[in-house]
Amino acid sequence: RKEVEQDPGPFNVPEGATVAFNCTYSNSASQSFFWYRQDCRKEPKLLMSVYSSGNEDGRFTAQLNRASQYISLLIRDSKLSDSATYLCVVIISGGYQKVTFGTGTKLQVIP
Amino acid sequence: NAGVTQTPKFRVLKTGQSMTLLCAQDMNHEYMYWYRQDPGMGLRLIHYSVGEGTTAKGEVPDGYNVSRLKKQNFLLGLESAAPSQTSVYFCASRSTGLAEAFFGQGTRLTVV
Repeated sequence: RKEVEQDPGPFNVPEGATVAFNCTYSNSASQSFFWYRQDCRKEPKLLMSVYSSGNEDGRFTAQLNRASQYISLLIRDSKLSDSATYLCVVIISGGYQKVTFGTGTKLQVIP
Repeated sequence: NAGVTQTPKFRVLKTGQSMTLLCAQDMNHEYMYWYRQDPGMGLRLIHYSVGEGTTAKGEVPDGYNVSRLKKQNFLLGLESAAPSQTSVYFCASRSTGLAEAFFGQGTRLTVV
């Protein structure tokens, strides 16, 4: 089983739609959680951190469920510019603080 | 503020040639990582370093070597390139604690 699993998609949604991505992690020692965005042929860039209480940044909302070991990302009012691959990232405490990536979920927002 | 800088950005190698990829960060980060990204495989950790003078193997280390002689630099070497090493290579750095990672712009390597 992969340490971090995501639905690869692609998710094809119309402009203005709401879309949600889920990510599950297997290591209970996971301590920090992030969503990154990666545009085609570019480096991953931090979209937002994910906090236990949930957090929101504009049209983006991230949630963490430690009991079920999953995190989610909700995008409201999708824009064409939201088209990208979204990576779930987990940092596991101890040792060298392993940074583990999901394989990413591809989002295509359609006009 | 340059952040994380990778050189070169593109390279074509012949099978058997060697090369070194350089990653430089100006954020005084302790941790540095080298990943490769292949279609459908996501980011896979090659080697990492938890501080100057230290390196360790990740999940796909075979065929690569690394060095971290200075805190700000993390070098990835290919001693004898193989077509299977055709990939996009990303370097990342982060501070101690549970902070996020910052990435370089990537190196697109083709081995023919």
